[in-house]
Parts: sequence; structure tokens; C-alpha cells
Amino acid sequence: AQSVTQLDSQVPVFEEAPVELRCNYSSSVSVYLFWYVQYPNQGLQLLLKYLSGSTLVESINGFEAEFNKSQTSFHLRKPSVHISDTAEYFCAVSDSGAGGTSYGKLTFGQGTILTVHP
Amino acid sequence: NAGVTQTPKFRILKIGQSMTLQCTQDMNHNYMYWYRQDPGMGLKLIYYSVGAGITDKGEVPNGYNVSRSTTEDFPLRLELAAPSQTSVYFCASSYAGSGNTIYFGEGSWLTVV
Repeated sequence: AQSVTQLDSQVPVFEEAPVELRCNYSSSVSVYLFWYVQYPNQGLQLLLKYLSGSTLVESINGFEAEFNKSQTSFHLRKPSVHISDTAEYFCAVSDSGAGGTSYGKLTFGQGTILTVHP
Repeated sequence: NAGVTQTPKFRILKIGQSMTLQCTQDMNHNYMYWYRQDPGMGLKLIYYSVGAGITDKGEVPNGYNVSRSTTEDFPLRLELAAPSQTSVYFCASSYAGSGNTIYFGEGSWLTVV
């Protein structure tokens, strides 16, 4: 079984400030890691994912996340946020599919609401 | 650009009523999923399907049923609605294989009174 803990339910920041949204996971098997973003009244969109290789992954809109296996973390960071980044962010894991039975199912954290103030 | 389409977007049900949430995808994805989202709880997997004719339970299947007669469609049935089923429901799909991006619909807001 897997679990995901997002350590902050709400993170308020001012525009152009840096932000870090924290995510820790627990799993007995190798995992893939994801960050999804949900804008108000919309579905979830993939922001970035870690499958293998470089532990630092980046999105097209300036977010990055680093996979830390020893600390079982996948924190999301952005050096300078914009008003448009206001949304709820979800960290999720799926097992890496060894044995072919994971079917891509995601286990989600509770979500972190990022509010960017002018 | 349709992607994953869910209907209805909003619905109010009375306790004991039944309804079906419709979901269709036009990306020829093998895998489809139904999640529910409750405030502060993240998303929980209700049911999933790895292909036409194949479905399986997720984490919270009680009170729901699904079918997958075609690759495109994956309806979710609530047989006897209860207040505990008040939630936002998301249908999603992906290509077969772990690590592939899961694409979500825009959600269906269901209230049971």
C-alpha cells in the first residue's frame, strides 16, 4: 500500500516570492511521482512527473520538483510565483509497474491550496 | 480537443434515488478511472478499467457500479444515493502502462439531500 502526505493544506505567498509545496510518500515498492494542478472548478492537469533518470524535473511554467529517495520526498518549488499560479496542487504516486499490476492507479495527497497575493 | 467528457456537470439527488454519471474519452485510451474528491481528502479511486469488458474496484467502491462495454465509455452508477456520496466525481483516462499521464475530465458535482 502507498500513502502520500502533503504537509501544508494552505500556503499563502506574495507575488514574485519563492514557494515550496511539500510532499512525502510511503511505499514498499518503487514508485513514479506526479504533481497535478487544479484550477477552480476544473479537472486536474499534470504539472510534472518523475519516472526515472535525473531526480530534478521541471514544468514548462517554471515549477520544478526533486525526487529524494532517502527522504521519500518530492517537494515542488518555484522561484517566483505569479497570481495565475493560484490553484490547488496535488502530489500523487503510482507504483512503477513491476509485475504489471499497477495499471497506473494514482494515490493522491490531500492537496495544498496555493494562494498568491498581489 | 474533447479529451475526457463528463455529464452532467451538476446534479442534486434525493436520498435513495439512482443515477448514472456518463464519461466518454476520444483518445483511444485503454485505461479509465473514476475518482471522487472530498474537501481536504484528495482524490480517492472508486473503480477502474483496463479495457472494454474489464473493471475492478478501487479504494472506495461501495455504493457504486461501473461497466465498460466500449473503449470510449465508462459510466458510473449510483444505485441508492446516500448523503455520504455528496462529492465531486472525476473521470480520467490514460494509455496502458504505469507512468503515463492520466487525463481528467472537468468533474461532476453531486449533492444528495
